[in-house]
Amino acid sequence: QVQLVQSGAEVKKPGSSVTVSCKASGGTFSTFAFSWVRQAPGQGLEWMGGTIPILGARNYAQKFQGRITITTDASTAYMELSGLTYEDTAVIYCARDSRPRSSSWRGAKIYFGMDVWGQGTTVTVSS
Amino acid sequence: QSALTQPASVSGSPGQSITISCTGTNSDVGTYNFVSWYQQYPGRAPKLIIYDVSNRPSGVSSRFSGSKSGNTASLTISGLQAEDEADYYCSSYTSSTTYVFGTGTKVTVL
Repeated sequence: QVQLVQSGAEVKKPGSSVTVSCKASGGTFSTFAFSWVRQAPGQGLEWMGGTIPILGARNYAQKFQGRITITTDASTAYMELSGLTYEDTAVIYCARDSRPRSSSWRGAKIYFGMDVWGQGTTVTVSS
Repeated sequence: QSALTQPASVSGSPGQSITISCTGTNSDVGTYNFVSWYQQYPGRAPKLIIYDVSNRPSGVSSRFSGSKSGNTASLTISGLQAEDEADYYCSSYTSSTTYVFGTGTKVTVL
């Protein structure tokens, strides 16, 4: 049973950076895509970016380009968001998509539906 | 990449069927059969209920079904039950090698 366990809640000042981690347990890591999704209070889901470790791929939503960096190690994904503003106050989820892939597969770069989610990390930006 | 467009709210009585639309563009929904739907209860992480337009993950009720025509995908909930009251989001892979969610729909069971 795959589980994603995220790091704890953060309180940050405007202009600072935050790093959220997401540790995968109970399954293979590198053959799946991992995404970061945020949800501001009372708002909808927003895809921030993703990574496909077996391809060494990182893809970012245009809105966050230049402010977001996603990295991985053997079993953990990390998301760093810099230049925080009050509008970055949100719950941030990591999620794993549903399809393992090999690097030679034509569809390897595709982000599929996400069937495993972390518990969410609350990031509060406050002075 | 703009969010996919969903109605803000849809309601129905128990036992009825409702349909939620999700309109995108030729850069996402219209080109790729990688549309997914998620159900989210307040304070909880989203749950995948439909993937690849019309497939249900194991354990998801057969009352949920998905389809697509052109740039618009749809989620139908048949035999509406009180437990279906939640927020629903569509999503799609895009030609920019990214992923986009819909604006979200609140389903109310009357």
